[in-house]
Amino acid sequence: DADVTQTPRNRITKTGKRIMLECSQTKGHDRMYWYRQDPGLGLRLIYYSFDVKDINKGEISDGYSVSRQAQAKFSLSLESAIPNQTALYFCATSDPGGAGETQYFGPGTRLLVL
Amino acid sequence: GENVEQHPSTLSVQEGDSAVIKCTYSDSASNYFPWYKQELGKGPQLIIDIRSNVGEKKDQRIAVTLNKTAKHFSLHITETQPEDSAVYFCAASTQGYSTLTFGKGTMLLVSP
Repeated sequence: DADVTQTPRNRITKTGKRIMLECSQTKGHDRMYWYRQDPGLGLRLIYYSFDVKDINKGEISDGYSVSRQAQAKFSLSLESAIPNQTALYFCATSDPGGAGETQYFGPGTRLLVL
Repeated sequence: GENVEQHPSTLSVQEGDSAVIKCTYSDSASNYFPWYKQELGKGPQLIIDIRSNVGEKKDQRIAVTLNKTAKHFSLHITETQPEDSAVYFCAASTQGYSTLTFGKGTMLLVSP
């Protein structure tokens, strides 16, 4: 089984709708991240959490919120989706006590906002 | 904050040729520089990393070099194979204390 899973893998929604993207990990890592990938723009950090009680904004947090329900679960919400939030979203985990700061990425969620 | 520039954005080579991808960073406090490979339909995966106390690191056909004075680092792939075709991202951070800042990626295409 995959160490980092994301659900759903694909989602189509309409402008104004609230949606949630979920991430679960079995790696036992404390640190979790949400990124957005757009063509030509690379990976941009939306939010990150260094432990269950810690939530931090990343480079592009406007329009997004997150919830860290447990060490293994980190959800990303779009309160009112807009078309320019159409992108590929990745969750990642890392463990600073392990082999450096390697980040382990999930398979991604492809989101289309109409 | 940190800014990472990556070049080229696309790179086409023939199988067996070498490929070089270059990155520059802005924050002199950065000391950890990983490279990730993203295959089609998958999430990025770490392929090699280097820390600031090392100038070069090799792992079979891939190598990374770091010039801290000039604040740039490079990925070198020798004897390229079609399965090397992917998007490659460089990144930088202050290890243990900050998040990764990624470059915009390089799409490498290796033609048979």
